[in-house]
Amino acid sequence: NAGVTQTPKFQVLKTGQSMTLQCAQDMNHEYMSWYRQDPGMGLRLIHYSVGAGITDQGEVPNGYNVSRSTTEDFPLRLLSAAPSQTSVYFCASMDSSYEQYFGPGTRLTVT
Amino acid sequence: GENVEQHPSTLSVQEGDSAVIKCTYSDSASNYFPWYKQELGKRPQLIIDIRSNVGEKKDQRIAVTLNKTAKHFSLHITETQPEDSAVYFCAASILTGGGNKLTFGTGTQLKVEL
Repeated sequence: NAGVTQTPKFQVLKTGQSMTLQCAQDMNHEYMSWYRQDPGMGLRLIHYSVGAGITDQGEVPNGYNVSRSTTEDFPLRLLSAAPSQTSVYFCASMDSSYEQYFGPGTRLTVT
Repeated sequence: GENVEQHPSTLSVQEGDSAVIKCTYSDSASNYFPWYKQELGKRPQLIIDIRSNVGEKKDQRIAVTLNKTAKHFSLHITETQPEDSAVYFCAASILTGGGNKLTFGTGTQLKVEL
């Protein structure tokens, strides 16, 4: 199993640009989520999904969209990038015992 | 919503000593409390977790205690080793059939000195 994979590993955007962060898992987990990690603030939940076709907002959803068309994939879209979205983004999936497995992360810089 | 506070933000111990990290949570409905270790530039990895029906859980040199009345839980690492140096995060959530929305603490940078 590859586990949870994320692409790209690094990305630099200009203010106003849009992009999609990719996340995939091969463990057949129904629950997936996106977190952002900023210095001194821990990880904060952006959006989550309890299964294909079902998504919901987390603590900091503004400026981000998600969709879940398959069990395996859970992309995160930045609609119009802002410097405040400079962060490290982690995708995670959860097994039946509620343990969450994090992907390797995407480091995003918005200039 | 849930609020998790974590202390201390930095902790330095000598190799072989014990380390204790403490967290408090605000939502009395929270019933799941995991601890994650994150090495520099890496992803968070679960090291131990506890559910609200248990007061203490151990796994070799690591233990977690939970006080539901006071709404706090702690991570204890005994016989610390240099490879324990990392950032540790506590988290809390309410487990439901719909998933596991974690609220994280702000992290503790643990440094184990030789």
